[in-house]
Parts: sequence; structure tokens; C-alpha cells
Amino acid sequence: EVQLVESGGGLVQPGGSLRLSCVASGFSLRNYWMNWVRQAPGKGLEWVTNIKEDGSEEYYVDSVKGRFTISRDNAENSLFLQLNSLRSEDTAVYYCAASGAGIVYWGQGTLVTVST
Amino acid sequence: DIVMTQSPDSLAVSLGERATINCKSSRSVLSRSNNKNYLAWYQHKPGQPPKLLIYWASTRESGVPDRFSGSGSGTDFTLTISTLKAEDVAVYYCHQFYDIPSTFGQGTKLEIK
Repeated sequence: EVQLVESGGGLVQPGGSLRLSCVASGFSLRNYWMNWVRQAPGKGLEWVTNIKEDGSEEYYVDSVKGRFTISRDNAENSLFLQLNSLRSEDTAVYYCAASGAGIVYWGQGTLVTVST
Repeated sequence: DIVMTQSPDSLAVSLGERATINCKSSRSVLSRSNNKNYLAWYQHKPGQPPKLLIYWASTRESGVPDRFSGSGSGTDFTLTISTLKAEDVAVYYCHQFYDIPSTFGQGTKLEIK
């Protein structure tokens, strides 16, 4: 069974940092571009960042450039997202997602809340 | 950025009837190199991750019921549910993966009339 399991979410103050992790099972993460997609409370889906199969390319939505960093460890079948300088508008459920033609696999999501 | 605009924002359809959701992109998502539209549709139910229904604008994902179909090319796309069932209540999103940043439509909330 294909699974993506995220962890690392929680409550953080504005300006703080978090590191999200995602572990894949049932498939080899090394064969996929990997993404983080978020959904703010009551809002729609927003693509945040992705990274090529071998980690040689990565892209970000403008609102997180310079603050978030995506990385992967194919040997550990894992994906990561380092979130720095967090803002209230970063509050969302963050989904780890594998893409081919569209996003084929999604995790259950981990909630990040940025608040005092 | 390519802006994806869905219509309507919400839709109420009777059980057994047809539901149609439209999606318009601000630029073409059709690749000239392989003649594929880089457009997908997802179903999102509360408390669950989104589920891929359609990719390449019209190819049904494995296991998706054949009452779901996608059509369109270039900038105009449609998701059709031919015979609505109660379990189809969800928010539906279109998604372009032609360009970076990848972008989603704002979502269409489908309810039972």
C-alpha cells in the first residue's frame, strides 16, 4: 500500500522555524518529483515547492522564496521542508505529494499554526 | 503565473443528474512537443487528502469510476460527473502542471440538491 506520512507540524510563533518530514512507503520516492502543497483554513490548495527526482532542481512559489527549503533523502525514502521566518499567513495543512502526470500520491497532511 | 479560474464556485445537483465544472487557464497548458494538456482534476473531501481523478485533461486515473470524465484543450476544460452519487459531494480542483509555479483553481464545492 502506498503511503506518505508527514510529521513535524505544530504551533510556532511568528518569526519561528519548523522542519516538516515525510516518509514514503509502498513505492520508491526516488522515481518522482516531490512537492509540498498547503491549504490554509477555509481556503483552497496552494502549491508551495517541488524538487526533482535526484534533488538537482527545486522551485518555490514566490511567497516562500528565501524562507522555505525543500530537500530529500532518497536512500531514506524521505522528503523534508524547512520553514523559517514563519508568518501568520503560513498557517495551513501541509501535504507531502508525489507528482507524475498530476499529483498521484498525497499524504494526510500536517498542520502548521503560526500564532502568538 | 498561470491563473486557473473555476466556475461555478458552488454547485447543487440532484442525485442521478449531471454535474459540470469548468476551468479556464490564463495561458494555454497544451504542450506543442507532445500534444498533451498539463491539466489535472482532484476531488477533496473533508479530513482526507485530495484524490487525483483525471490527468492530461481527459485520462481517468486507475480506479476512478467512469461517471467522471474530463474534456477540453488549451485554456478551457471541463469535469463532468454523468450521474451524481451521494459520495461525490466534495470540493473539486483543477490544476495546471505545465509551468512553475504549478497552480490550482479556487475550487468548486459540489452539493446535493
